[in-house]
Amino acid sequence: GAVVSQHPSWVICKSGTSVKIECRSLDFQATTMFWYRQFPKQSLMLMATSNEGSKATYEQGVEKDKFLINHASLTLSTLTVTSAHPEDSSFYICSARFPSGLYEQYFGPGTRLTVT
Amino acid sequence: AQTVTQSQPEMSVQEAETVTLSCTYDTSESDYYLFWYKQPPSRQMILVIRQEAYKQQNATENRFSVNFQKAAKSFSLKISDSQLGDAAMYFCAYRSYNTDKLIFGTGTRLQVFP
Repeated sequence: GAVVSQHPSWVICKSGTSVKIECRSLDFQATTMFWYRQFPKQSLMLMATSNEGSKATYEQGVEKDKFLINHASLTLSTLTVTSAHPEDSSFYICSARFPSGLYEQYFGPGTRLTVT
Repeated sequence: AQTVTQSQPEMSVQEAETVTLSCTYDTSESDYYLFWYKQPPSRQMILVIRQEAYKQQNATENRFSVNFQKAAKSFSLKISDSQLGDAAMYFCAYRSYNTDKLIFGTGTRLQVFP
């Protein structure tokens, strides 16, 4: 149980275009999901917290107009990187908060974004 | 603000041996959770073990156990009978009792030699 999927696993896009990444909780409902960014050989950096039915909460220094987050249902959150630039190339990981117990986060397999 | 420190960028162990990964944290809170996550080459983050700060007993999950020293703010992970599949990045993480936000350490890369 507690499986989280991400799609796509790898995406290449041209500079100036937008790309959408999906995060789904497959076997539980998640009112809260999280989006992280991970640079090579570095730790995870929380970008934003996504709450179903409300606006996302962004961490300091994260551009909300560039990284659009939509949590339209209890099992789906999306991250759209708008007007992507090469410096946005990174590994993006989502997680979903389990709705009971210790409310632990279960992570998706990540999406590698390459902007050319 | 809370911080998590992993002072060992890399560690290595021989198969079947035991290795301990270190983690220290700084907080003024009394209630919180601590986690160890494993990130293998596939990059999928996997929860290894969790510890609730109010519990004095150290958590154990099969070959994985922790040494939780609350006063010293230390939370080390011991891997017994190491296996080749244990090779991965290991992240220590802190979470306040009343929030969802995880604060990660910088990670320790564990290599396992046959």
